[in-house]
Amino acid sequence: GESVGLHLPTLSVQEGDNSIINCAYSNSASDYFIWYKQESGKGPQFIIDIRSNMDKRQGQRVTVLLNKTVKHLSLQIAATQPGDSAVYFCAENRGQAGTALIFGKGTTLSVSS
Amino acid sequence: GAVVSQHPSRVICKSGTSVKIECRSLDFQATTMFWYRQFPKQSLMLMATSNEGSKATYEQGVEKDKFLINHASLTLSTLTVTSAHPEDSSFYICSASPGGRENIQYFGAGTRLSVL
Repeated sequence: GESVGLHLPTLSVQEGDNSIINCAYSNSASDYFIWYKQESGKGPQFIIDIRSNMDKRQGQRVTVLLNKTVKHLSLQIAATQPGDSAVYFCAENRGQAGTALIFGKGTTLSVSS
Repeated sequence: GAVVSQHPSRVICKSGTSVKIECRSLDFQATTMFWYRQFPKQSLMLMATSNEGSKATYEQGVEKDKFLINHASLTLSTLTVTSAHPEDSSFYICSASPGGRENIQYFGAGTRLSVL
């Protein structure tokens, strides 16, 4: 079935390191992807998005890479901080207005100082 | 911008009672809103898609008579859990999309429902 999944359920890094969180998707028709950050007891917070006509997009301290050939998505966080500790979800969508997102299983990022 | 308010943030109720959760888009109009359910340490599961002025579309396995959804305006959708039971205890989250090409969805803070 259609699904978006993450490779690792947990990732532990030291403060200041760069973090890479990976996600694999199975639906080749997906043309829009979003990374969300969810802190404990809160709703998901939008981080960055990318459309399928791009392979890289940068934000503030974050970069999303998209490899359509192998259906792989990654989120890179530069100079990871303790405040980055959260669960990160990738979500995919066909980009049509009014369609729901399909979420992956999530990666818990733990940053130690 | 793009703020979604969800209320209440936490509710504890007795088994058999009904609970209403509100989801409001504060600074944009949302033709479509979505309701998700999340169990501890798990991902978000889509329950239903709520369209303003029409009936909600429920995902397979979600009881529409159990989870009543009303999307009365372009800024408000409500989810009512009717005759709640302990197995309905969960974290419920709404999202709203301002529409447009990107179809970004913004999420509320979630509602923690505990049914005793």
